Amino acid sequence: DGGITQSPKYLFRKEGQNVTLSCEQNLNHDAMYWYRQDPGQGLRLIYYSQIVNDFQKGDIAEGYSVSREKKESFPLTVTSAQKNPTAFYLCASSTWDRVREQYFGPGTRLTVT
Amino acid sequence: AQSVAQPEDQVKVAEGNPLTVKCTYSVSGNPYLFWYVQYPNRGLQFLLKYITGDNLVKGSYGFEAEFNKSQTSFHLKKPSALVSDSALYFCAVRVPTGANNLFFGTGTRLTVIP
Repeated sequence: DGGITQSPKYLFRKEGQNVTLSCEQNLNHDAMYWYRQDPGQGLRLIYYSQIVNDFQKGDIAEGYSVSREKKESFPLTVTSAQKNPTAFYLCASSTWDRVREQYFGPGTRLTVT
Repeated sequence: AQSVAQPEDQVKVAEGNPLTVKCTYSVSGNPYLFWYVQYPNRGLQFLLKYITGDNLVKGSYGFEAEFNKSQTSFHLKKPSALVSDSALYFCAVRVPTGANNLFFGTGTRLTVIP
């Protein structure tokens, strides 16, 4: 899982509560990404950030928010507006070059009841 | 639009036999192709990539993949499977001149039978 840490590994929340997932990298990568993984659907991009203080919506951004105040950190907030928040969330980072090979963190499994 | 297909949800192979995990893609432009592996409750680990050049790419843990432009495929192969290769495998594609996203297939679960 390289130099990317995600915490916590497991997270439980009640419906209607916002929750923030942590992602930190020490790879000196400019770009960071958040994906959601559901069984049988592969990985879907939620948000990505090319550089500090800038981020772009991915394919499924509704109900999520992010910030990028530091190069090393890219926290994801799952808001109460997200209809089906229970999933496995993966953070990744890459250089912002032509290839952009992505390195992944260990993931956070969020369960909302 | 970019897309990646992994036509087999599951692949089972006996230990010591060769394995193939299939991937086909649809892109407009020259693709960058990647294979990742995921063990239970873990993040994705990079296996190999094709950017340009030799169509046969060698990667980690004895895996290799062959880029076939005419068939738009990038199948993952290993000459002799190990029980420890059992995991979920993802193919991904990006077009460098297109969208910034890395598009993933839905994954193939490989089971190596002792």
